Amino acid sequence: NAGVMQNPRHLVRRRGQEARLRCSPMKGHSHVYWYRQLPEEGLKFMVYLQKENIIDESGMPKERFSAEFPKEGPSILRIQQVVRGDSAAYFCASSPQAYNEQFFGPGTRLTVL
Amino acid sequence: GESVGLHLPTLSVQEGDNSIINCAYSNSASDYFIWYKQESGKGPQFIIDIRSNMDKRQGQRVTVLLNKTVKHLSLQIAATQPGDSAVYFCAEIPYNQGGKLIFGQGTELSVKP
Repeated sequence: NAGVMQNPRHLVRRRGQEARLRCSPMKGHSHVYWYRQLPEEGLKFMVYLQKENIIDESGMPKERFSAEFPKEGPSILRIQQVVRGDSAAYFCASSPQAYNEQFFGPGTRLTVL
Repeated sequence: GESVGLHLPTLSVQEGDNSIINCAYSNSASDYFIWYKQESGKGPQFIIDIRSNMDKRQGQRVTVLLNKTVKHLSLQIAATQPGDSAVYFCAEIPYNQGGKLIFGQGTELSVKP
């Protein structure tokens, strides 16, 4: 049973470009969470999705950031018009149900030049 | 702001000794707690969890203690090994916030051979 997969592992973008981060949850998991980790800091919740629905986006910036988890395919975290402050590691986690153990992917390290 | 925090940012122990990593939380609505281990460049790895109806749970070489009276959580690692060197995060899931994890800042454990 493959774990949570994320791609790309490293992403470099120039200011103003778009970044798309993908997350494939573990097989059988329909709950996906995105977290952001700044250097030397803990992980901060961004958004929680369940197939085709956004359940909680309270941690996501109101502008430039969006997330989706379509019926088919991976979950996507999209950052439009990136700025240097978006440089961070973005982690995806999945679980079979809410209030349960969350399994993390290896992360995508975004660098904005 | 953060509702989960760690008392010590770094901890250095001798190989073979026991390690104790502490965590304080402030949200009395939290009823599920998880300890994660994060190695450099990797995603958080689940170590052990505990629900609020328990005060102790043991795994292989690890024990988690929960003191709800003082809102304190600890992770004990027996016979610490060099492979245990990593950053350890405690995380809580408040029962009324949709299942998202709230992380502390982390404690870096360094094991000296």
